[in-house]
Parts: sequence; structure tokens; C-alpha cells
Amino acid sequence: EVQLVESGGGLVQPGRSLKLSCVASGFTFSNYGMNWIRQAPGKGLEWVAYISSGSSYIYYAETVKGRFTISRDNAKNTLYLQMTSLRSEDTALYYCARHGSYYYDGPDWFAYWGQGTLVTVSS
Amino acid sequence: DIQMTQSPASLSASLGETVTIECRASEDIYSNLAWYQQKPGNSPQLLIYDANSLADGVPSRFSGSGSGTQYSLKINSLQSEDVASYFCQQYNNYPYTFGAGTKLELK
Repeated sequence: EVQLVESGGGLVQPGRSLKLSCVASGFTFSNYGMNWIRQAPGKGLEWVAYISSGSSYIYYAETVKGRFTISRDNAKNTLYLQMTSLRSEDTALYYCARHGSYYYDGPDWFAYWGQGTLVTVSS
Repeated sequence: DIQMTQSPASLSASLGETVTIECRASEDIYSNLAWYQQKPGNSPQLLIYDANSLADGVPSRFSGSGSGTQYSLKINSLQSEDVASYFCQQYNNYPYTFGAGTKLELK
């Protein structure tokens, strides 16, 4: 069974940093592209960042480019999101999501989602 | 960026009814479209990918269609467990973009 378990969320002041983690199990983590997607309370979905299976390709939404860094450790089956210079508008539930296609680094759908970790940016 | 316009924003339907949700892309996305269902308090779950392919485990009353810029999700014989929000997503280009969502309720 595919499982994605996010952690690291919490209450943080504007301008501070936070690092999210997503531990994967039930599939060969190193063979899939991974993403972070967020959802502000009561709002829709916003894609945040993508990293290819071998970390060769990385893309960000313009709203987080230069502030957030996506990375992965295939040996630990873990995806990360380092968030710096946090703003109130970054307040959201952050999901990690796995791409659908095996060993494919192109754009793809989100086959599996974690339960999310809540990030609240407030003074 | 590709804009995804989803309609309606909300929908009320009766059990057993057929409902259709539409999604229009601001440019041709070549059927690189997925549909997700999100029940209250839960994470989104994949229903449809490549515009018309049913994801594993998804009931056959769900179907997707469309091409170019126009896509739709149809739910036949609405069940109580289908009460949820539904989102479309294009993956033709980065940045990935989602429709604003359709909230489906029972009448």
C-alpha cells in the first residue's frame, strides 16, 4: 500500500523558516517524480514544486520561487520542502504527492497524496 | 500559465441523478487532464487521468471526456458517498494548474 506521511508543519512567524518532510512507503520511491501541493484553509489547490526521480529536474511555482527549495533523499525515501522568508499567504495545508507514471520525468498526474501537514504563518 | 476555468462552482443533485462538471483550459492541453475528488477533511484522490482513463479502484459511474480545451467529468447514478469537491488539473505544462473546484451536495 502506497503511503505518504508529511510532517514538520506548525506555527511560525513571518520571515522565519520551516522544513517539511514526507516519508514514502509501499513503492520504489527513487522511480517517481514527487511534488508539493498546498491548500489554504477553505480554498483550492495550488501546486508548489516538483522534483524528478533523480533530482535532475526541479520546478517551482512563481509564488515560492527563490524562497522554497524542494529536495529528496532516495536512500531515506524522503521528500523535503525547505521554506524560508515565510509570509502569511503561505499559510496552508501542504501535501506531498507522487506522480502517476513509473520512471518518467515529464509532466504527470498526481496518483497518490499524503494527508498533509499544516503550516500557519502568523505573528 | 494555463488557466483552468471550472464550472459550476457548486452543484446540488439528487441520488441517482447524473451530474456533469466542466473544465475549460486557456489553451490546448492535449488531454493532459486529471480529475480529483476531495471529501471533507480528506486529501484529494485521483479519479481520472489522461482526460478519460479511470484510476484504479474508482467506480465505473465516473467518466471523463473531452479534448483540446474543453473537458468534462460525468457521474452517473449519484451516490451519497459522491458528496465532495471535485478539481480538474492540467499537466501539459509547468506550472501545473487546477480548476477552482466544484462542491457537489445532495438535494
